[in-house]
Amino acid sequence: QLQLQESGPVVVKPSETLSLTCTVSGVSVTSAGNHLEWIRQAPGKGLEWIGNIHPGGRTSFNPSLKSRVTISVDTSSNQFSLTMTSVTATDTALYYCARNSSGLDIWGPGTMVTVSS
Amino acid sequence: QSVLTQPPSVSGAPGQSVTISCTGTTSNIGAGYNVHWYQHLPGRAPKLLIYINHNRPSGVPDRFSASKSGTSASLAITGLQAEDEGDYYCQAYDRSLTVWVFGGGTKLTVL
Repeated sequence: QLQLQESGPVVVKPSETLSLTCTVSGVSVTSAGNHLEWIRQAPGKGLEWIGNIHPGGRTSFNPSLKSRVTISVDTSSNQFSLTMTSVTATDTALYYCARNSSGLDIWGPGTMVTVSS
Repeated sequence: QSVLTQPPSVSGAPGQSVTISCTGTTSNIGAGYNVHWYQHLPGRAPKLLIYINHNRPSGVPDRFSASKSGTSASLAITGLQAEDEGDYYCQAYDRSLTVWVFGGGTKLTVL
């Protein structure tokens, strides 16, 4: 059964780069689903879609974040990752990875990232 | 302000029913894009509750149902239980923004 687990730093300094990884277990990342997604939730706010990657490598991003975000797949480690540059306090959030298969049907538990000096 | 509009909160007593609306536009729900619904319980990851407008994943009780019409969608919960308390989100694709959008979320309180 497919499972997802996010990992990455708990604290990132303003203006630095945030890098998160989602480890896929149970299936190959290239056959995990139609799209692999990143979603976040800032404290006290709702869910915000960040972007996704198709196993074939095509990516889509939230236009509000597109200039700062990269999503990639590492088949050797069965992971996909999120990189966000020039972070600010507004990027403080609970970050989730998820699989999109007619809706986001499998989610990781989430990882909290705080942007602070 | 979310592209998909949901009421901030709804409430009901155990056993009662509630409905959560999700109002969109002709760029998302009204354009024919599918609506998905998620349940987000405190301290847990969101859970897919309804997919493609009205379908329940395996394991989701039939107390949860949803529909879509025009530029809106709605989620109905019958036989409210204490464990239903949490946040509920609708989701659809918006072709003008070229982004998956979530509703602002609705907090369900079971009285």
